[in-house]
Amino acid sequence: EAGVAQSPRYKIIEKRQSVAFWCNPISGHATLYWYQQILGQGPKLLIQFQNNGVVDDSQLPKDRFSAERLKGVDSTLKIQPAKLEDSAVYLCASSLAGGFTNYGYTFGSGTRLTVV
Amino acid sequence: AQTVTQSQPEMSVQEAETVTLSCTYDTSESNYYLFWYKQPPSRQMILVIRQEAYKQQNATENRFSVNFQKAAKSFSLKISDSQLGDTAMYFCAFMKQKGGSEKLVFGKGTKLTVNP
Repeated sequence: EAGVAQSPRYKIIEKRQSVAFWCNPISGHATLYWYQQILGQGPKLLIQFQNNGVVDDSQLPKDRFSAERLKGVDSTLKIQPAKLEDSAVYLCASSLAGGFTNYGYTFGSGTRLTVV
Repeated sequence: AQTVTQSQPEMSVQEAETVTLSCTYDTSESNYYLFWYKQPPSRQMILVIRQEAYKQQNATENRFSVNFQKAAKSFSLKISDSQLGDTAMYFCAFMKQKGGSEKLVFGKGTKLTVNP
């Protein structure tokens, strides 16, 4: 089966600009996650969708970050305006119906964002 | 809040030898799951092994095995017969099920280098 697709693979922007990342999960996977991985740290969950509804966005900086999954399939994550500290890898993951019941997530290869 | 600690930022091992990566965690939950993920330079997080907290038997997957000590909140990964392809970042992760939010909480990772 095809994996979790993410684009772009790399992005460099200036601070205060906006940026958007795209994720297409594995077909049929109801749950989609966005993680932020800052250099030297483990990934941190930003938002979890179940179909097109938000399950957990407690760690999403809502003043500048937004995410949507309008048709319950692909998703976009947006940052506006970007700050230097947003430089990180943004990983998308999906699972059939909750991570553990499906024996874990499937991750994409991420988007590396550099804010200068 | 759950925390995951990996006390070894970097480790190295000779090809064909055995290496153990350490992980401790803190939680007040009694039912949860633990994972080890591998992240090669491609950035995709790959599930190595999982452990259900209610199971006393340690999980094994081919050359990978864990030593799960629930009372001590310790979850170490042993890699036997190390191969060059095992070179990667390794992350320990914790998950609890809470009303549909199944986020992974990661440690900071251990960079493993397998030397020829």
